[in-house]
Amino acid sequence: GENVEQHPSTLSVQEGDSAVIKCTYSDSASNYFPWYKQELGKRPQLIIDIRSNVGEKKDQRIAVTLNKTAKHFSLHITETQPEDSAVYFCAASGNYGQNFVFGPGTRLSVLP
Amino acid sequence: EAGVTQSPTHLIKTRGQQATLRCSPISGHTSVYWYQQALGLGLQFLLWYDEGEERNRGNFPPRFSGRQFPNYSSELNVNALELEDSALYLCASSTQGDRTYEQYFGPGTRLTVT
Repeated sequence: GENVEQHPSTLSVQEGDSAVIKCTYSDSASNYFPWYKQELGKRPQLIIDIRSNVGEKKDQRIAVTLNKTAKHFSLHITETQPEDSAVYFCAASGNYGQNFVFGPGTRLSVLP
Repeated sequence: EAGVTQSPTHLIKTRGQQATLRCSPISGHTSVYWYQQALGLGLQFLLWYDEGEERNRGNFPPRFSGRQFPNYSSELNVNALELEDSALYLCASSTQGDRTYEQYFGPGTRLTVT
């Protein structure tokens, strides 16, 4: 089955700096890669996603890159702000939402 | 549009008892996923239901079971509760129709086993 690894497990950055979180997956059939943000005491929410036919996707300060050959994808947050502090989960999924597997999460702290 | 709802918000049980958790998906969503999130840890996949059928199951013992009703709402049952079952149980719904598979999460049920 699919296995998703995520690094680092914790990340501290100064406000205004960039943050990068990396994930690798094992199943070459996976073709949908979302990122979820979970603030303390709240439910996870989708912040950005990418499909296997796209190499990069950007939404304001957030971007995701995908390297299907190497089976890894990354989340990039630029100009970090204190409200970016949260746990971020990557995930990988095949067609029809099957084998939807989350990574273990990265706790991001943005220091003022 | 109403989001995913879960009930109850909190549930306190003693070891050996049974717990029943409920989830109502977003209108039009046919898939429901259940996850266990122990304190400070990640999302452990439990079960996936779609169109009333169990489609996939995570690495959990058989005392974790569930079902999906004709209106696509779902129920998670945990039998013979153990202390380590204490966790936040999240359900999420998605639609297969637009092939985006985005999962929308509910607020969760906090289960405490004493």
